[in-house]
Amino acid sequence: EAGVAQSPRYKIIEKRQSVAFWCNPISGHATLYWYQQILGQGPKLLIQFQNNGVVDDSQLPKDRFSAERLKGVDSTLKIQPAKLEDSAVYLCASGPGKGKRTYNEQFFGPGTRLTVL
Amino acid sequence: QQPVQSPQAVILREGEDAVINCSSSKALYSVHWYRQKHGEAPVFLMILLKGGEQKGHEKISASFNEKKQQSSLYLTASQLSYSGTYFCGTEFIQGAQKLVFGQGTRLTINP
Repeated sequence: EAGVAQSPRYKIIEKRQSVAFWCNPISGHATLYWYQQILGQGPKLLIQFQNNGVVDDSQLPKDRFSAERLKGVDSTLKIQPAKLEDSAVYLCASGPGKGKRTYNEQFFGPGTRLTVL
Repeated sequence: QQPVQSPQAVILREGEDAVINCSSSKALYSVHWYRQKHGEAPVFLMILLKGGEQKGHEKISASFNEKKQQSSLYLTASQLSYSGTYFCGTEFIQGAQKLVFGQGTRLTINP
């Protein structure tokens, strides 16, 4: 089966510019996650969707970050305006879990490496 | 609330064994283990649930001590392909039902 797709794979922008990342999860997966992974650290959850509803966005910097999952499938993460500290790899993951507990493994996409200059 | 992994890094020769630990200060519902190779996405290894249920790859073994809120990942007879950074992700019993990942353990296997 096809894995989680993300685009673009790399992005370089100037600070204060805007950027958007796209994610297509594995077909049929109800749960979608966006993580931020700064070099040398573990992934940090930004937002979790169950179908097209938000389950958790407590660590999403809402003054500059936004995310949506239209029709419960694809998702877009946007940063506007970007700061230097936003430089990181943004990972999208999906999982088949339909309940509130994360019973199942998460399948990660290849990520988008963002560099903010 | 981030789990603490130890050691931070380990270097082995092919065929040697390693143990990676993950400790939480909060009561856990589950522990997830992932391996990430440089420049690649994390790959699922194992889930250990409160109560003893486990799911994962046959060649990977792990334990979950509910009393101590600790998990250990056991890598035996290591192969070159085991190299990478290992992350544990913890799901707390109380609070938001999401994974909080540790800082990672870098494993290097030399021939």
